[in-house]
Amino acid sequence: QQPVQSPQAVILREGEDAVINCSSSKALYSVHWYRQKHGEAPVFLMILLKGGEQKGHDKISASFNEKKQQSSLYLTASQLSYSGTYFCGTDDSGSARQLTFGSGTQLTVLP
Amino acid sequence: SQTIHQWPATLVQPVGSPLSLECTVEGTSNPNLYWYRQAAGRGLQLLFYSVGIGQISSEVPQNLSASRPQDRQFILSSKKLLLSDSGFYLCAWSISPGELFFGEGSRLTVL
Repeated sequence: QQPVQSPQAVILREGEDAVINCSSSKALYSVHWYRQKHGEAPVFLMILLKGGEQKGHDKISASFNEKKQQSSLYLTASQLSYSGTYFCGTDDSGSARQLTFGSGTQLTVLP
Repeated sequence: SQTIHQWPATLVQPVGSPLSLECTVEGTSNPNLYWYRQAAGRGLQLLFYSVGIGQISSEVPQNLSASRPQDRQFILSSKKLLLSDSGFYLCAWSISPGELFFGEGSRLTVL
């Protein structure tokens, strides 16, 4: 079953923060985050494994609450380059080959 | 470095016509290969994945098929296209289950 992402869309000003949530009804082994710019292929951001460790690079970080089967992506001090659609992919098999992706969150950062 | 090539980039096909999309990966051996479909405004739907030559796993019953004739070549086919086959098709590879590297995609319009 497809994970639920929220919000569906968000508009920010440069420098503002945003949180994107991903929720599953299944027990998860990992959550994967990707960003896709319009007309381009998705690009990998990070993987969060069962264990709840928060990860991040630059000003984008994420957490995974395995008890609630939820993951959140945090974008701090948004830059124009952060604009795009963010997808979470969930792995409930343990193999990470059969990811189920959410429908995406469209993030627009305005100057 | 590893690269992934996918073609054609765009195609318009009539209903009932055949389809062949090709994907090749360079710079790596024995990759896991995937075909995803993205309908307009939707998330990524896994269609097929392959862990080796001739080994294809299908995720969604449909009129599409996939083949892996060589280690780094993955082909998506259909004998007779349906209107519902329209979408953005993405090939991807990974070495181990985890980070997916996507091709540039093939946009298919079935009329």
